[in-house]
Amino acid sequence: DAGVIQSPRHEVTEMGQEVTLRCKPISGHNSLFWYRQTMMRGLELLIYFNNNVPIDDSGMPEDRFSAKMPNASFSTLKIQPSEPRDSAVYFCASSPRRDTNTGELFFGEGSRLTVL
Amino acid sequence: GENVEQHPSTLSVQEGDSAVIKCTYSDSASNYFPWYKQELGKGPQLIIDIRSNVGEKKDQRIAVTLNKTAKHFSLHITETQPEDSAVYFCAAAETSYDKVIFGPGTSLSVIP
Repeated sequence: DAGVIQSPRHEVTEMGQEVTLRCKPISGHNSLFWYRQTMMRGLELLIYFNNNVPIDDSGMPEDRFSAKMPNASFSTLKIQPSEPRDSAVYFCASSPRRDTNTGELFFGEGSRLTVL
Repeated sequence: GENVEQHPSTLSVQEGDSAVIKCTYSDSASNYFPWYKQELGKGPQLIIDIRSNVGEKKDQRIAVTLNKTAKHFSLHITETQPEDSAVYFCAAAETSYDKVIFGPGTSLSVIP
C-alpha cells in the first residue's frame, strides 16, 4: 500500500496568495483528518471527515481556511488569502475506523508551508 | 473540549535506561488513549494504544498505564536504544471512532 499521499511536500508562497494542499487517503479508509503542526501549538486538529462528510471543523482557524472531500480518494485544504502565521506543516491522516474498530491514524509525510 | 498535557517536553537518557512520559487529560468522557512516535521529517506513527477498560498494556519494550480516576496515563520504554530517539505524542479521544486530541509532545534523545 502506498500510504497517505500528500502534495506538495513543500510550498513557499507570498502573503495574500491562495494555497491548496492535497491528500489522497489509503484506499478503503473511511475517515480523514487534517492536522497542523507548529512548534508553538503542537498538533492541532483542523477538521475531520467520515465517509466524505465533514464531522467537526471546530479547529479550522477562520474563514480563510476551507476543506473539501469530493470523493473517498481525495481531499483538499485551501487557505485564501494566506498569511505568514499560517506557516506550518500540514498533515493529512486517514483511518479505517468504524470498519475495523481500530483508532489508528495513518499520517502522510506532511506539506511544509512557508508564507512570506 | 479535551485538553491533553504532557511532561516532560524533553527527555535525555542513556542507552539501556528506561524512559517515562506522563500525560493528563481533562475530559472524563475520553476512553481511548493512543501514543504516537514522530521521526524527523515524517508523520506521526502509532506505537501503542489503550482503552479505558484496561489499566495496563505491554508490547515488547513499550508499556502504557492508565489511571482513569486521576485522568493520568503514561508511556514506559525499557532498554532504550538510539533508534527510540524521536518525538512522542500522547493523545485522547472519546472512542476510537472520534477525533483524536494530541498532547504537545516529548522529544526523547537516547545517548549511545
